[in-house]
Amino acid sequence: GQNIDQPTEMTATEGAIVQINCTYQTSGFNGLFWYQQHAGEAPTFLSYNVLDGLEEKGRFSSFLSRSKGYSYLLLKELQMKDSASYLCAVYSGAGSYQLTFGKGTKLSVIP
Amino acid sequence: EADIYQTPRYLVIGTGKKITLECSQTMGHDKMYWYQQDPGMELHLIHYSYGVNSTEKGDLSSESTVSRIRTEHFPLTLESARPSHTSQYLCASGRVRKRKETQYFGPGTRLLVL
Repeated sequence: GQNIDQPTEMTATEGAIVQINCTYQTSGFNGLFWYQQHAGEAPTFLSYNVLDGLEEKGRFSSFLSRSKGYSYLLLKELQMKDSASYLCAVYSGAGSYQLTFGKGTKLSVIP
Repeated sequence: EADIYQTPRYLVIGTGKKITLECSQTMGHDKMYWYQQDPGMELHLIHYSYGVNSTEKGDLSSESTVSRIRTEHFPLTLESARPSHTSQYLCASGRVRKRKETQYFGPGTRLLVL
């Protein structure tokens, strides 16, 4: 089966750095997505990792280790507007498109 | 800013009615998706398309159907709505460059079936 694990909730201070982890066990792996979703809104695409390593995009970075079934999203210089749910999703499946989402990590940024 | 649109944004309808949720994108993306999300719950992929005349079901069983006659248009149809179909439906399109995919989501349609 497919299994994606993320912490349910995290709290961090404005201006700090926070790391949101995602571990996965899937039958096959093609890539891993991270999305941001504010309450009541549609998700926003953040990153898509295919190869191992760290990819940086402004204040957000995403890391992937395929051998460990592990990824993290790193948020730097936290702002209040970063308070949202962060969704990890794995694209797997050979010959078909299977996209499995984690339940999301609700991040609260406090002053 | 992504150019992907969904209509209607909100829909309240009675059981047994046929409904079509519209999704269109003006970015020329080949890949398009439909997701379903209940409040506070995870997203589930219900349909996807790699291009015109290509549609596949996702990992969540759904009684809905889709069509992809034009690149920019990916409507989702429920032949006979039921209260269990009450949910938020999110459409997305994807651009692939050098094996890397970027997805853009529409604003979603909130459906309530009475």
